[in-house]
Amino acid sequence: DVVMTQSPLSLPVTLGQPASISCRSSQSLVHSDGNTYLNWFQQRPGQSPRRLIYKVSNRDSGVPDRFSGSGSGTDFTLKISRVEAEDVGVYYCMQGTHWLTFGGGTKVEIK
Amino acid sequence: QLQLQESGPGLVKPSETLSLTCTVSGGSISSSSYYWGWIRQPPGKGLEWIGSIYYSGSTYYNPSLKSRVTISVDTSKNQFSLKLSSVTAADTAVYYCAIGQFWGQGTLVTVSS
Repeated sequence: DVVMTQSPLSLPVTLGQPASISCRSSQSLVHSDGNTYLNWFQQRPGQSPRRLIYKVSNRDSGVPDRFSGSGSGTDFTLKISRVEAEDVGVYYCMQGTHWLTFGGGTKVEIK
Repeated sequence: QLQLQESGPGLVKPSETLSLTCTVSGGSISSSSYYWGWIRQPPGKGLEWIGSIYYSGSTYYNPSLKSRVTISVDTSKNQFSLKLSSVTAADTAVYYCAIGQFWGQGTLVTVSS
């Protein structure tokens, strides 16, 4: 099984400041078709998860451009350029290269 | 834009079978090349993939649940379904259906006698 490890577990951030979440996989997420199936989800309190980023760095429609994804192989990062109050919630990475597995989540909160 | 809605019993007895249906609106389930999947989230915990069914009909299940899971699709009804047998309290969770970026609101299923 592919294990997805996120850090930090909790991320207190000042409004307007940047935030960065790391996700590491136990094996390469490069698929035999050449794609890397690494997605990022946001789960606001009391809501269902919302996909923000697919295939490492592609923003879903309606996702603010302050969210960006990067990385390759086994190391990936989600960045929020300027955190807003509505960004509070838990963020999950998910790999879809070897079946599907989720990271444990990173809780973003406002200081 | 697709909308997904999970439905099914909110309470299931231990050792019985959990059955949920995901009804898709806003588009035809068979007109896409997406895969259709089920994910669950125990109260206060993270997300766990249960399994997926692809447009081709192929199914893939989480190895830890494989012996108990069946996912099927009914394109005529624009629905896909989940069955999880021999449930225990550990299967208590919010169950989500998903198609790509589109997720349902989730339904809480409690396993209790």
